[in-house]
Amino acid sequence: NAGVMQNPRHLVRRRGQEARLRCSPMKGHSHVYWYRQLPEEGLKFMVYLQKENIIDESGMPKERFSAEFPKEGPSILRIQQVVRGDSAAYFCASSPLTGTMGATQYFGPGTRLTVL
Amino acid sequence: QKEVEQNSGPLSVPEGAIASLNCTYSDRGSQSFFWYRQYSGKSPELIMFIYSNGDKEDGRFTAQLNKASQYVSLLIRDSQPSDSATYLCAVNMEYGNKLVFGAGTILRVKS
Repeated sequence: NAGVMQNPRHLVRRRGQEARLRCSPMKGHSHVYWYRQLPEEGLKFMVYLQKENIIDESGMPKERFSAEFPKEGPSILRIQQVVRGDSAAYFCASSPLTGTMGATQYFGPGTRLTVL
Repeated sequence: QKEVEQNSGPLSVPEGAIASLNCTYSDRGSQSFFWYRQYSGKSPELIMFIYSNGDKEDGRFTAQLNKASQYVSLLIRDSQPSDSATYLCAVNMEYGNKLVFGAGTILRVKS
C-alpha cells in the first residue's frame, strides 16, 4: 500500500513533554501538509512543506510547534512542552509535484495526541 | 464571515434517496474544490474534486460548481447507510497551496 503513512497512530504525553509526529508521503509525492483537528472542530491547516523547505507556515502556533521535511526520511511535526490544549488529531496529507491532479491532497490515518 | 461554510446538519435521508450537500466559499480567487468524507475517528477520504463550472459525475456522486455564486455542492444518489459520515468541503486558492475546510455536514442515511 503506497498511501500516506503516519506514526505513531496514538501518542500519550504528559504536560511539558515533547511530541514528535512522523509522516511519510505517498510514493511520488513531494508536497506535505499538516492539519490539526481539535475535538468537535474542523480541520485547520498548520504548515506546508517541500523537501528541505517550509513553504507556508501561516497556520502554525508561534511557539512550541515546528516542522521539517528533510532530504531523507519522513516529515516531522514537533510539539515542545505540550499542554492539554494540544490534544487533537494531527493529519498529514501529501500531493504530487505536477499535473492536473497536482493540488489534490491525500490524507494519512492521523496521529491522535492525548496530553495528560 | 467564514471562508468556507457548510450546514452542520445532521441531514437525514432515507436509504435510496438523493442526498444534497452544499458549501459556499468567500474568496473569489478560489480555484479548486474538494469533497472529503470522514467517518468518526478516521481520516478524511477524498471523494471528488472539481475545478470548472458545471457538473462532474463519478459513480453515485455528482459535484456541482458555480463560481459566479460561489457555491459547490455534492449529490449522492441511491444513498446507502454506509454513506453516513461527515462530509467536508475544502477549497484551495492556488495550485499546491493549503486547503481551507468547512466544518462539515453530518449525513445520516436511514435504512
